[in-house]
Amino acid sequence: GAVVSQHPSWVICKSGTSVKIECRSLDFQATTMFWYRQFPKQSLMLMATSNEGSKATYEQGVEKDKFLINHASLTLSTLTVTSAHPEDSSFYICSARSSWGTLADTQYFGPGTRLTVL
Amino acid sequence: QKEVEQDPGPLSVPEGAIVSLNCTYSNSAFQYFMWYRQYSRKGPELLMYTYSSGNKEDGRFTAQVDKSSKYISLFIRDSQPSDSATYLCASGSRLTFGEGTQLTVNP
Repeated sequence: GAVVSQHPSWVICKSGTSVKIECRSLDFQATTMFWYRQFPKQSLMLMATSNEGSKATYEQGVEKDKFLINHASLTLSTLTVTSAHPEDSSFYICSARSSWGTLADTQYFGPGTRLTVL
Repeated sequence: QKEVEQDPGPLSVPEGAIVSLNCTYSNSAFQYFMWYRQYSRKGPELLMYTYSSGNKEDGRFTAQVDKSSKYISLFIRDSQPSDSATYLCASGSRLTFGEGTQLTVNP
């Protein structure tokens, strides 16, 4: 149980284009989803927290107009990187957390999406 | 001061060794403590989850929390080459991560 998937696993795009990354909780309902960014040999940096049906809460320094987050259902959240630039190239990882049952209070991570902006 | 601090290593041990990974944290309100394992280019995988102080054992892995000293430890017994990964400690409801310790177990 507690499987989180991400799609795509790897995406290459041209500078100036937008990229959408999907995060799905496959076997549980995620009341909260988190988006992280990880640069090589560095730890995970939280970008934003989203609760189903609410606007995302962004961490300081993260541009909300550049990184659009939608959490429209209890099993799906999307991150759209708008007008991507090479400095946005990174490993983006989502995690999901349920408020109920034995999965409560534990975050389960997706496999990550590697974004390369040319 | 970072809320969770971890020695980034790298740490290299021979197969079969006992590995000790450690973190300190500063927020006394933290109640939940996790250890994640992350292989290269993969998402973190939850290894151990503990609540408040004490020990928790799962196979070759033991997690230890000492809230009086704000110290978190993960012990790996009989380490295997497949344990080679980056280990991340984390705490708090929004998961504040340590820097991660890169572990290599040599056959």
